[in-house]
Amino acid sequence: NAGVTQTPKFQVLKTGQSMTLQCAQDMNHNSMYWYRQDPGMGLRLIYYSASEGTTDKGEVPNGYNVSRLNKREFSLRLESAAPSQTSVYFCASSPGTAATNEKLFFGSGTQLSVL
Amino acid sequence: GQQVMQIPQYQHVQEGEDFTTYCNSSTTLSNIQWYKQRPGGHPVFLIQLVKSGEVKKQKRLTFQFGEAKKNSSLHITATQTTDVGTYFCAGPGGGSYIPTFGRGTSLIVHP
Repeated sequence: NAGVTQTPKFQVLKTGQSMTLQCAQDMNHNSMYWYRQDPGMGLRLIYYSASEGTTDKGEVPNGYNVSRLNKREFSLRLESAAPSQTSVYFCASSPGTAATNEKLFFGSGTQLSVL
Repeated sequence: GQQVMQIPQYQHVQEGEDFTTYCNSSTTLSNIQWYKQRPGGHPVFLIQLVKSGEVKKQKRLTFQFGEAKKNSSLHITATQTTDVGTYFCAGPGGGSYIPTFGRGTSLIVHP
């Protein structure tokens, strides 16, 4: 039981390049989330998916797109990377719907640098 | 929108001293969650408080939820080097059910 798996763990991009961060969970969770973490800023929600087939914007969605491919997978895409998107990205999942306020299980993170 | 403030940002303690971090929300919270993130790691869920005035203990950690459900605290008694990390509070509020995270308190324990 791997929990929440994120790939890649590290990535360096040049400004304007695109990439997709992959996330998969094997816990049969309904809700999935993407957060970014910057020094001194805590965890800020980018997008979330309360259930398969639905996605919604979080606090900082600009410059990102997401796809809830199926119940297990939730990907985050940067279409044209900018230096301001240098951050550590965490995927998370929770058992029920977001409305049940259940605890979040986090992946190990992706450290992204945009030059 | 909802804001969750957490203080202090950093706390240095000598091993054996106590530590407290405080969390304040601009809106009433339906619940408050606490997470711990070790250096270089990912956040790990510690506990959830739901009831007004609730107090829960996990060994040397004591968690409190305020009577007005707008503030919370985490107190660690007799810190150990294994307590090093950043502690985050998170709570849904302001009509949203998505948890908003505080900026965290980084605990540094000096042996």
